[in-house]
Amino acid sequence: AQRVTQPEKLLSVFKGAPVELKCNYSYSGSPELFWYVQYSRQRLQLLLRHISRESIKGFTADLNKGETSFHLKKPFAQEEDSAMYYCAFSIGAGANNLFFGTGTRLTVIP
Amino acid sequence: NAGVTQTPKFQVLKTGQSMTLQCAQDMNHEYMSWYRQDPGMGLRLIHYSVGAGITDQGEVPNGYNVSRSTTEDFPLRLLSAAPSQTSVYFCASSSEWASGSHEQFFGPGTRLTVL
Repeated sequence: AQRVTQPEKLLSVFKGAPVELKCNYSYSGSPELFWYVQYSRQRLQLLLRHISRESIKGFTADLNKGETSFHLKKPFAQEEDSAMYYCAFSIGAGANNLFFGTGTRLTVIP
Repeated sequence: NAGVTQTPKFQVLKTGQSMTLQCAQDMNHEYMSWYRQDPGMGLRLIHYSVGAGITDQGEVPNGYNVSRSTTEDFPLRLLSAAPSQTSVYFCASSSEWASGSHEQFFGPGTRLTVL
């Protein structure tokens, strides 16, 4: 069955420190991977997707098919990065249905 | 544009009552969906629609009905509410592209409590 695992429910880092939010997926095909973020009092919104290979707000994520991972990284955390982060995947082009992980709450300590 | 709107924001029901959660979008998106989020769990897909008149079941459809009579609206109906349906419900929409990823736009959520 399709599954997304985010092993850390809570993650705290100091401002300026590197941050990595882990995500592993279980799917036998070629999924499309996403990171969604929910800031305090805001809606869930797309942060980045693997197919775009882009950096958003300093965050990057590389799809590692061998390890079935899509970890989110940022070299220098900022206070405004504090939020709930969800890893998600869909089962390929043309498929909109998302499978979500349980989320990681990131707190950046000033 | 208002994006994706959901009403109500909060709702308390008694077991056995029925109600409809409303969802509307003004982005002319073909795809719409409903998710529920329970404490300590990720969002799980309830039902989805790829266009007016077309709906299908997601991962957790039991106890819910949907219909899609227009592109803009995608209501979620609870016919006989149960305490297990206490959750936060999110509606989302996205455009249909021939290929590539589809950014989902989410509503603000409806917090439902069934007593």
